[in-house]
Amino acid sequence: QVQLVESGGGVVQPGRSLRLSCAASGFTFSDYTMHWVRQAPGKGLEWVAAISYDGSSKYYADSVKGRITISRDNSKNTLYLQMNGLRPEDTAVYYCARALRGLISFGDYWGQGTLVTVSS
Amino acid sequence: QSALTQPASVSGSPGQSITISCTGTRSDVESYNLVSWYQQHPGKAPKLMIYEGSKRPSGVSNRFSGSKSGNTASLTISGLQAEDEADYYCCSYSGSGSPYVFGTGTKVTVL
Repeated sequence: QVQLVESGGGVVQPGRSLRLSCAASGFTFSDYTMHWVRQAPGKGLEWVAAISYDGSSKYYADSVKGRITISRDNSKNTLYLQMNGLRPEDTAVYYCARALRGLISFGDYWGQGTLVTVSS
Repeated sequence: QSALTQPASVSGSPGQSITISCTGTRSDVESYNLVSWYQQHPGKAPKLMIYEGSKRPSGVSNRFSGSKSGNTASLTISGLQAEDEADYYCCSYSGSGSPYVFGTGTKVTVL
């Protein structure tokens, strides 16, 4: 069965860096575009970034451009989100989600989320 | 990129039908038939209910349907059930740049 498991969240001081991981299993990871979506406490969903199946194309929300990098290692079936220069407003649960195969739409499978708290 | 506009809350009695609107712009909802809808129960990950405007993923009840008119997409839940009580979010593709935008979210209450 398809599983997405995020890790790497925690408490970090403003300005520091953090790398999130999303381990995928139960499907051919290298066939799918993958996404990161976040949700601040008590707030709505915010799309963060996406990466094509082979890593050749990457897309970012304007709010994170220049500070966040999405990447993947298809040999390890793992998606990453490198976050630099973290700000308090980056505090959120970060979810990874799979795109529907070959489609623009995403979210047929989601991870359970990992909480990132940016605080001094 | 501004969030798509959804009503903060919608309510209905069991068995009734409700509709949630999602208003965007010419740059997103109006230009692409690529609106998705997600259901989220408290403390849980979102669940895809509708994609490409009106398509249901396997396993999603046919009580959920999607449509679009101009710059407004809609999600209709018919035969409202207690388990439908949740937050619902729309999300539209918006082309190049920052290519996806979520709606503000709607809390559905079953009376």
